[in-house]
Amino acid sequence: AQSVAQPEDQVNVAEGNPLTVKCTYSVSGNPYLFWYVQYPNRGLQFLLKYITGDNLVKGSYGFEAEFNKSQTSFHLKKPSALVSDSALYFCAVREPSGGSYIPTFGRGTSLIVHP
Amino acid sequence: DSGVTQTPKHLITATGQRVTLRCSPRSGDLSVYWYQQSLDQGLQFLIQYYNGEERAKGNILERFSAQQFPDLHSELNLSSLELGDSALYFCASSVGGGDNEKLFFGSGTQLSVL
Repeated sequence: AQSVAQPEDQVNVAEGNPLTVKCTYSVSGNPYLFWYVQYPNRGLQFLLKYITGDNLVKGSYGFEAEFNKSQTSFHLKKPSALVSDSALYFCAVREPSGGSYIPTFGRGTSLIVHP
Repeated sequence: DSGVTQTPKHLITATGQRVTLRCSPRSGDLSVYWYQQSLDQGLQFLIQYYNGEERAKGNILERFSAQQFPDLHSELNLSSLELGDSALYFCASSVGGGDNEKLFFGSGTQLSVL
C-alpha cells in the first residue's frame, strides 16, 4: 500500500533564507509525487509533480522539489522564503502500477516564515 | 480560483441530523473526489466518482453516501451526524481521474455538529 510521511509538523524559517519541507514515501513501484499548498480558509492548490525524468522538478511560486529514489524522498525547497509562503504544505503519492488511482496525502507541514 | 465550487461554506447542525454538501467541478472535469480534513486525521479520502459512476472508495462511513449527477455535479450526504463528524469537507476534481493528474480543490464546507 502507498503511504507518505511528513516528519515535521512545523517548519520555521526567516524571510530570505532557504526553506525545505520534507516528505518521504512508500510504494512498491515507481511513484507519482505531488506537492500542494493550503492557505488559510482555502482549498489545496497544486504546486508541482514528479512523474518521471529529471529528478529536480520546478513548480509554482518559485518552489522546486527533488526526487530521490534511493532515499524515497521528495523534499520541497525554495531558495529564498517569503512571508507570503507561510501556509500548510501537503505531499501526496500515487502508485500507478496496479495501485490506487487515489493520491494519499501526508498530514501536512505548517510553514511559518518570519519577517 | 480553482473553478471548483462548494456549497455551503459553513454548516452548523445538531447530532442525529442529516446534511447535504454540494460540489460543482471545473468545467470539463469528469472526476470528482471527496476528502475530509480534521486536525487529528489529516486529509482523508472518502470517495471518487468518474462520469457518474463510483470509481474508488476510501474511509467513508456507512452513514455517508455520495453521488454524481448527469451534469457532473456531486453531492455528499451525511446522516445520523455525530460530534466527531465535525470537519472540513473538500471536493476536488480532475479531468479524467488519471494517475498523474493534479487535483483542483474547492474551498471546502466547514461542518460543525453541536
